[in-house]
Amino acid sequence: EDKVVQSPLSLVVHEGDTVTLNCSYEVTNFRSLLWYKQEKKAPTFLFMLTSSGIEKKSGRLSSILDKKELFSILNITATQTGDSAIYLCAGSNFGNEKLTFGTGTRLTIIP
Amino acid sequence: GAGVSQSPRYKVTKRGQDVTLRCDPISSHATLYWYQQALGQGPEFLTYFNYEAQPDKSGLPSDRFSAERPEGSISTLTIQRTEQRDSAMYRCASSLWQNTGELFFGEGSRLTVL
Repeated sequence: EDKVVQSPLSLVVHEGDTVTLNCSYEVTNFRSLLWYKQEKKAPTFLFMLTSSGIEKKSGRLSSILDKKELFSILNITATQTGDSAIYLCAGSNFGNEKLTFGTGTRLTIIP
Repeated sequence: GAGVSQSPRYKVTKRGQDVTLRCDPISSHATLYWYQQALGQGPEFLTYFNYEAQPDKSGLPSDRFSAERPEGSISTLTIQRTEQRDSAMYRCASSLWQNTGELFFGEGSRLTVL
């Protein structure tokens, strides 16, 4: 059975700090690794990673995938209170449309 | 529509009743997904549609759960004879086509079974 594990489960930091969120996966016939940000309403897409070693960047957020070690990290620099959310990692595989999600990392930014 | 719309936002029902949840996806999106999210957990796949076809319903927990999308647009998820363990957030998502990875989620329907 496919599995995605995220760590830490929760993280509290001060505004301006840099954080690193971890995601390890065991996904059969792996296709891609995705990151979503879940605030009070709906999860919103951040990144999709398919190739090892290529960093994807969007503003203060960046992510990279290691397909040999089966993990990904999401970095957020100069954190702001608006970054407070649950960050979800998911794996997808070839052959079906199912995303396997981790339980998420709850990030809280203290002003 | 502008985004994925789900209704009702909240539903409280008694054990044994049937419930139907509705999803109106982004109008240009061919693919529609249903996920179940328990408190403190990530979403779990239930089923998906390409237009009106339902290629995979392997995630539906039992035959009490069914989904349809008869005209390839709006979809409904029906749970018959609800049980307390069905209490969860039910999220609908849509994407332009399958395999894109970028899903647009609705705000969900929170179901509580008493």
